[in-house]
Amino acid sequence: GNSVTQMEGPVTLSEEAFLTINCTYTATGYPSLFWYVQYPGEGLQLLLKATKADDKGSNKGFEATYRKETTSFHLEKGSVQVSDSAVYFCALSEAAGNKLTFGGGTRVLVKP
Amino acid sequence: GAVVSQHPSWVICKSGTSVKIECRSLDFQATTMFWYRQFPKQSLMLMATSNEGSKATYEQGVEKDKFLINHASLTLSTLTVTSAHPEDSSFYICSAAGGMDGDTQYFGPGTRLTVL
Repeated sequence: GNSVTQMEGPVTLSEEAFLTINCTYTATGYPSLFWYVQYPGEGLQLLLKATKADDKGSNKGFEATYRKETTSFHLEKGSVQVSDSAVYFCALSEAAGNKLTFGGGTRVLVKP
Repeated sequence: GAVVSQHPSWVICKSGTSVKIECRSLDFQATTMFWYRQFPKQSLMLMATSNEGSKATYEQGVEKDKFLINHASLTLSTLTVTSAHPEDSSFYICSAAGGMDGDTQYFGPGTRLTVL
């Protein structure tokens, strides 16, 4: 079956630090990959996605590259802000309308 | 675009009553909607998948008679928690997928249910 593994948190950083959240996956086919962000008390917001190998998703300074050879989709941001404090979920979907397989989530806390 | 709303955002009810939560896709037609449950500091647990006009598909361990799901139109799905008990207290989140961006799920803001 499909699975997504992401690094456990919490990750605590200072403002303007570099952020990396590792995500690896196992899938039988060629999934689409996603990063979602959840702010306290809210639902999930799509942060970025990539649908095929070597695609790079980017949004709000965050980036992630679909690496088929290492089955990874690591999330990076060069300079975090306090407002980036949230829980980040890596996920995959094998086809349109199919259910998402989520990682466990990584809590990020950015201190001023 | 791709906005999903949920109503209510929070609800408190007495044990034994039923609660209905609505999920709407505001600017696209959702051929598939999903309902999740999330416990504090945990990932999302998929409860069921629903396609417009057909019966929902429930995940293993989810009681379909307790969590009634209706997807009557391409923009609306409802989750009814019947005879709610304190253990049903949770954060319920819906998502919707459809259209040209059909592989992407867009999530609602969630509904916090507290059963007294």
